[in-house]
Amino acid sequence: TQLLEQSPQFLSIQEGENLTVYCNSSSVFSSLQWYRQEPGEGPVLLVTVVTGGEVKKLKRLTFQFGDARKDSSLHITAAQPGDTGLYLCAGELEGGSEKLVFGKGTKLTVNP
Amino acid sequence: GAGVSQSPSNKVTEKGKDVELRCDPISGHTALYWYRQSLGQGLEFLIYFQGNSAPDKSGLPSDRFSAERTGGSVSTLTIQRTQQEDSAVYLCASSLGSAREQFFGPGTRLTVL
Repeated sequence: TQLLEQSPQFLSIQEGENLTVYCNSSSVFSSLQWYRQEPGEGPVLLVTVVTGGEVKKLKRLTFQFGDARKDSSLHITAAQPGDTGLYLCAGELEGGSEKLVFGKGTKLTVNP
Repeated sequence: GAGVSQSPSNKVTEKGKDVELRCDPISGHTALYWYRQSLGQGLEFLIYFQGNSAPDKSGLPSDRFSAERTGGSVSTLTIQRTQQEDSAVYLCASSLGSAREQFFGPGTRLTVL
């Protein structure tokens, strides 16, 4: 059973387009993180959200944590080839131990 | 060091052989995690060390897998009698103590022939 479901699994778009990646669960999380991973490297933390309804912006990336803290989204505006990579959501389960649960990731390709 | 380092970066071994994977965390980080990333899958938690506490081994898939952390710093993940299904990228991460702020190494790609 996958605790965090990410969609879509693959996304190929043209430079300049907008996109949204979703991370959903039936479980409640005390925090949720988004990472980006490039080939041959480990994931790099982009953002952490902890409050239901929280919205954080990182340049062209907008992250939202659902009101019930069960889901999150990542929206990229005017995607660029440099945004290409594997986007992973990860969360700390409410009342859980000091571990992160990861989604399977969204592989994004931005074509010039 | 500037970040988490792992060695080797690639390891090819024959089925049945033992392998050791090494992780050097960021200096001062008390928490250390091992994950496995298979093709098309997310990160699968394996084991977690926090300071001098007993490690959380709940993610180890079988008794062929073990890990230790010496002196609260370097960690070694050992896989005995490797099987083809063990082929994956093994990632190590460290943090100051919170699961939320993990810094990952580049991983070791293990291929079992």
